[in-house]
Amino acid sequence: DTEVTQTPKHLVMGMTNKKSLKCEQHMGHRAMYWYKQKAKKPPELMFVYSYEKLSINESVPSRFSPECPNSSLLNLHLHALQPEDSALYLCASSHRYDRVYQPQHFGDGTRLSIL
Amino acid sequence: QQQVKQSPQSLIVQKGGISIINCAYENTAFDYFPWYQQFPGKGPALLIAIRPDVSEKKEGRFTISFNKSAKQFSLHIMDSQPGDSATYFCAASNNSGGSNYKLTFGKGTLLTVNP
Repeated sequence: DTEVTQTPKHLVMGMTNKKSLKCEQHMGHRAMYWYKQKAKKPPELMFVYSYEKLSINESVPSRFSPECPNSSLLNLHLHALQPEDSALYLCASSHRYDRVYQPQHFGDGTRLSIL
Repeated sequence: QQQVKQSPQSLIVQKGGISIINCAYENTAFDYFPWYQQFPGKGPALLIAIRPDVSEKKEGRFTISFNKSAKQFSLHIMDSQPGDSATYFCAASNNSGGSNYKLTFGKGTLLTVNP
C-alpha cells in the first residue's frame, strides 16, 4: 500500500464546476508535489511545495490552484477546467526538495474526467 | 539536453526470462537515476535508484547497470514473472544545485510477461 493517500480516486466534473483533490502523507516529508499524467505518458510536474510554501510552479494555468494547509496535507483546487485537463493527477512527497538524492514517493492518483 | 531516451517502447518476455530496458541521457549534470514501476490504475512506485559513483546496484531480481562514459543506464529484471507486467519509467535528476525536485522521465516501457 502506498504511503501517500489521494482522494477521491475518481472524479467526474463539468467545465463550470469547482472541485478539490486531496493528498495526505504521514512520512514526515516536507516536500510535496502535484503531477499530471496523461495515458501512456510519463508524469509531468505541476507544483512543488517545500515546508508548506509554494516553491515551484511549472507555468500551470490558474484554473489549477494548489494549497498546502499543513505539512501532511496538499490540496489541488479545480475551477473551470477544460476537457484536455482530463488525466490522472498524482501527488508525491519526499524528505526535502533541497536535500539531494531523495526519492519521490507517489500516491495512486485521482482519475479526473472533464465533461 | 534535458531528455532521457528510453527503449524499447514495449517488451514481451516469457516467464523466467530476462527483461532489459535501456535509457540514455545527454545532460552530464544528471547524478541520480531512479526507476519507477507503474501498474494500471496505480501511481508510479519507486523500484530502485542509482548514483553514478557505482556501476551496478542489485535489489532482489532487479538490477541497474550504469555506464557513465556512455551516459546510459539499464534495468534488468531476472526471472521475470507475470506479476512484473507493468509500465517502467526511468528518470534522472540533477542534484548538484542542491535540489532534486525536477525528475526528467523517459517515455516508459510497457512490459508484458507471458506465463
